[in-house]
Amino acid sequence: DTAVSQTPKYLVTQMGNDKSIKCEQNLGHDTMYWYKQDSKKFLKIMFSYNNKELIINETVPNRFSPKSPDKAHLNLHINSLELGDSAVYFCASSQDLGIRGYTFGSGTRLTVV
Amino acid sequence: DQQVKQNSPSLSVQEGRISILNCDYTNSMFDYFLWYKKYPAEGPTFLISISSIKDKNEDGRFTVFLNKSAKHLSLHIVPSQPGDSAVYFCAASGAGSARQLTFGSGTQLTVLP
Repeated sequence: DTAVSQTPKYLVTQMGNDKSIKCEQNLGHDTMYWYKQDSKKFLKIMFSYNNKELIINETVPNRFSPKSPDKAHLNLHINSLELGDSAVYFCASSQDLGIRGYTFGSGTRLTVV
Repeated sequence: DQQVKQNSPSLSVQEGRISILNCDYTNSMFDYFLWYKKYPAEGPTFLISISSIKDKNEDGRFTVFLNKSAKHLSLHIVPSQPGDSAVYFCAASGAGSARQLTFGSGTQLTVLP
């Protein structure tokens, strides 16, 4: 019974396309996140939603747009994909950070060709 | 500007010996620190955490040490086992960070049988 699930796990697409990555958590957490792991392996926060409201919006291109239809879901839509968007994207959730911080999904490896 | 740094990208240790992974931070507002473990094609999973009011936290074979004056923490694994081979991420959080975790770039630990 997966706590934080992301789909798809792998995504290969051409430059200029629009794609979405979906994330769902069944932990009852009130905060969800999108992190990007770049080629240097850093995990960098992109967005955070708390109870469907955007609370963190780091400097990412406008082509990236998160959508949270309810507090259990946080989807990431990317328009006009570029080569530099190739990375692994991780969804995570938390309840007040707590003692265990985040629970992560297994990641989506996006490759733009 | 990397606020959490893991300067060793990789570490190899013989099975049964101690593994010591290091992490440095620059933001004096950080007051909570976590270590995550990541296997290939999986998301990071929580390992151990420490609050800034403590200087040591132990959980089985894993111990985290915090030196606030040096802004340094370390993770000790003893004895190391082949199953410990993974990437270890240090993460930090603090006042005003809106539940955001700031991650280091990770250290690949390889435990040799």
